Amino acid sequence: AQKVTQAQTEISVVEKEDVTLDCVYETRDTTYYLFWYKQPPSGELVFLIRRNSFDEQNEISGRYSWNFQKSTSSFNFTITASQVVDSAVYFCALNCLTSGTYKYIFGTGTRLKVLA
Amino acid sequence: NAGVTQTPKFQVLKTGQSMTLQCAQDMNHEYMSWYRQDPGMGLRLIHYSVGAGITDQGEVPNGYNVSRSTTEDFPLRLLSAAPSQTSVYFCASSPRSYNSPLHFGNGTRLTVT
Repeated sequence: AQKVTQAQTEISVVEKEDVTLDCVYETRDTTYYLFWYKQPPSGELVFLIRRNSFDEQNEISGRYSWNFQKSTSSFNFTITASQVVDSAVYFCALNCLTSGTYKYIFGTGTRLKVLA
Repeated sequence: NAGVTQTPKFQVLKTGQSMTLQCAQDMNHEYMSWYRQDPGMGLRLIHYSVGAGITDQGEVPNGYNVSRSTTEDFPLRLLSAAPSQTSVYFCASSPRSYNSPLHFGNGTRLTVT
């Protein structure tokens, strides 16, 4: 079975601090994709990044960076110099091709509060 | 493009009432799905479809029905609403490729009293 665990329910940081959101996944598939989504207070869900199981290269996009490690089944998300606008719920998700079909599995989310 | 459109945005039902949450996408996506979001539970998959005429159950399908008669539409039916179905519901779509991110609608907040 597939599973995504986001053990951090809520994190509070002061603006300009760095923060890392953890994501641990479980799957027996060798080919899969991992995603991060952001849900700001307005409620919509916004896609941030995708990573496939064969690409362990870290990715940086502005203040955001992602660290994928297959050895620990983790796909962690770091925000550098956090800003109030980063306050949101962040979801990690896994998608595997199993038995000819696929379905996205989400973690329970981490609520990030960035205080001014 | 409108993307994924969900209606209504808000709904209040009494226990036992039925209703249909509408979801439509104009991106010709083959994959469509319904999630419910509850505090502390994240997004849980209710039902999904990989194409017209094909549907399957997700993690929490009980109490919900779906059908997929066209590529564009994927309605979610509550036949007899229960307070446990109070939640925020999201419809999502993507191309039929498991490397594609989901495109989400803006959600429907449902309260069952």
